[in-house]
Amino acid sequence: EDQVTQSPEALRLQEGESSSLNCSYTVSGLRGLFWYRQDPGKGPEFLFTLYSAGEEKEKERLKATLTKKESFLHITAPKPEDSATYLCAVHPGGSYIPTFGRGTSLIVHP
Amino acid sequence: KAGVTQTPRYLIKTRGQQVTLSCSPISGHRSVSWYQQTPGQGLQFLFEYFSETQRNKGNFPGRFSGRQFSNSRSEMNVSTLELGDSALYLCASSLGAENTEAFFGQGTRLTVV
Repeated sequence: EDQVTQSPEALRLQEGESSSLNCSYTVSGLRGLFWYRQDPGKGPEFLFTLYSAGEEKEKERLKATLTKKESFLHITAPKPEDSATYLCAVHPGGSYIPTFGRGTSLIVHP
Repeated sequence: KAGVTQTPRYLIKTRGQQVTLSCSPISGHRSVSWYQQTPGQGLQFLFEYFSETQRNKGNFPGRFSGRQFSNSRSEMNVSTLELGDSALYLCASSLGAENTEAFFGQGTRLTVV
């Protein structure tokens, strides 16, 4: 059974305090790994897609990396507006049905 | 360009009733997926439609169904509502052949009483 585990469940940071969120996965092959941001009361917002181990993508203060077993979302010098729940999802090989992790709730204090 | 539009935003139904939710994808997007999000189970895939055909289906009972029209708009229906169906129902659209970059709507908050 495909599994996606995100850690930590919740993270509180001070503005400017860099950190990383983890997404570990167990799937039969990997078609793609996706990161989303979700604000309260809204639908998830797409951030990145990673397809193969070693791949990295960046957007503003966010950088996503991928290995064969996990992905990291690095947040550099976060700001209060980065506060949100970050979701990770995987598409297993041979299937387009995504499995989502439970998310990491990030709060950045000014 | 306009985003994914879901209607209604909020809905309260009684146990045993049925409900229909609507989703208008981004113009040009042919794939529409539906998800259920609850605090207990997180975000779970319901089904995906592409060019009016159901292409993928998650592990939900047959009470959950959907369809897609020729203009790519989609509806999902839940019959014989149960208390446990209370959730945020999200629709996502993407360009097509592969379920890659998905754009989500704001969701419909369904409460079953």
